[in-house]
Amino acid sequence: DTAVSQTPKYLVTQMGNDKSIKCEQNLGHDTMYWYKQDSKKFLKIMFSYNNKELIINETVPNRFSPKSPDKAHLNLHINSLELGDSAVYFCASSQDRRGYDGYTFGSGTRLTVV
Amino acid sequence: EDQVTQSPEALRLQEGESSSLNCSYTVSGLRGLFWYRQDPGKGPEFLFTLYSAGEEKEKERLKATLTKKESFLHITAPKPEDSATYLCAVLLPGTYKYIFGTGTRLKVLA
Repeated sequence: DTAVSQTPKYLVTQMGNDKSIKCEQNLGHDTMYWYKQDSKKFLKIMFSYNNKELIINETVPNRFSPKSPDKAHLNLHINSLELGDSAVYFCASSQDRRGYDGYTFGSGTRLTVV
Repeated sequence: EDQVTQSPEALRLQEGESSSLNCSYTVSGLRGLFWYRQDPGKGPEFLFTLYSAGEEKEKERLKATLTKKESFLHITAPKPEDSATYLCAVLLPGTYKYIFGTGTRLKVLA
């Protein structure tokens, strides 16, 4: 029944490893997002896809690569993890790209790089 | 530069003690201002969208208002279950991007 589900919820990994986070929404929304929340709780947009098309690609290292196989799924792959990548990553979705009806967020993936 | 600033950073209230949270923005041509609630260990939960100055929205003990430069989230007679971080976000003109503020951590004591 979960509207936006992310896996895994926790991820602890060593520097230099490659990891993926998966996200799925069952709301029939057209647009999905990846946000990063740092230790000061600041939420920053990373990527957005609308119907599998990349529409927002913020200034993030190219070690981060999103993939949307269909409009219900958005995954985030991170290569060569660094200590500074430690954060909580949130997936979200909205009815359309304007997001006027608000976003529905997943419960987050806490990534810890050691 | 487009900015969203929330104040105070943290607020402690006694149960029943009404107060207001502030979100000020420097975005010109506002297309939408959004309020979210975030509980510890969870993702933000959408509360309201406000589009134009003078607009108000209400939900239970929460009322959001909007002027040309800021928005207030008024909490009337809060209960401990209202304790959370309240985030506001602004939709940047000409884009589909939100800028989020850093939030106000609200603690309501029984």
